[in-house]
Amino acid sequence: DIQMTQSPSSLSASVGDRVTITCRPSQTISSYLNWYQQKPGKAPKLLIYAASNLPSGAPSRFSGSGSGTDFTLTISSLQPEDSATYFCQQSYSIPYTFGQGTKLEIK
Amino acid sequence: EVQLVQSGAEVKKPGDSLKISCKGSGYSFSNYWIAWVRQMPGKGLEWMGTVYPGDSDTRYSPSLQGQVSISADKSISTAYLQWSSLKASDTAMYYCARPVSSGSLNDAFDIWGQGTLVTVSS
Repeated sequence: DIQMTQSPSSLSASVGDRVTITCRPSQTISSYLNWYQQKPGKAPKLLIYAASNLPSGAPSRFSGSGSGTDFTLTISSLQPEDSATYFCQQSYSIPYTFGQGTKLEIK
Repeated sequence: EVQLVQSGAEVKKPGDSLKISCKGSGYSFSNYWIAWVRQMPGKGLEWMGTVYPGDSDTRYSPSLQGQVSISADKSISTAYLQWSSLKASDTAMYYCARPVSSGSLNDAFDIWGQGTLVTVSS
C-alpha cells in the first residue's frame, strides 16, 4: 500500500493568514493526488483533484500543487469557515489511501 | 441534483449480519464507480473498495478482502456494503462516494453520501 504522510498534524492560524499543508506519498503517484475538507459530523468535501484542479463550487482561495512524491495544499487567505480537518488521498493505485489528516484551527 | 442517499444508522451485536445501502440519483448510476470509505470514531478515512454498477466489477482493499462484500443493483441505482459476521471493530461511519468522471476508477470523489453509522456492541 502507498503510505500518505501529511504535515503538520495540526495547526492554528489567524484569519487572513496563508496556510500550507504538505502531503508526501511513500512512492511516486504522478498527479493522482486529491484533497478533501471534513467538518465535524459531515461527509468529506472535495477541494482539489488531480493535484491542482479546483472542482466547481470550491472557493478559489484553495489551490494545490506538486507531482510525484511532494504535494501542497494552500489556503491563500484563511477564513473562519476553513476550520476543519484536511485529508490528502492518492488515486494512483488500489487501495486508494488517505493521509492521517491535518486539523486546522482558527485563532 | 446529483446525490447519494445512504440507509439509516444501525445498532448490531457481534456476529450479526448487515447490509447497508447507497442510492444514487440525478445521474447515470450505471456509468460511475461507487466507492465505500470507512471512518472509525475519531480517526481518519479508509478506502474499502469500489463497484462499477454497469457490470458489477468490484475491487477491494487487500486488508478488507473477505471481511466485507460490495455489490450494486443498477436497476434500482443502489450500491451495497455487506457483512456476514460483524465485529466490535466494525463500529464506524461508512460513506459511499462517487468519482468526478464517469467510468473513471483512478479519480477523486466529488459526491458523497451522508454516511451510515454502524455500531456493533454486545
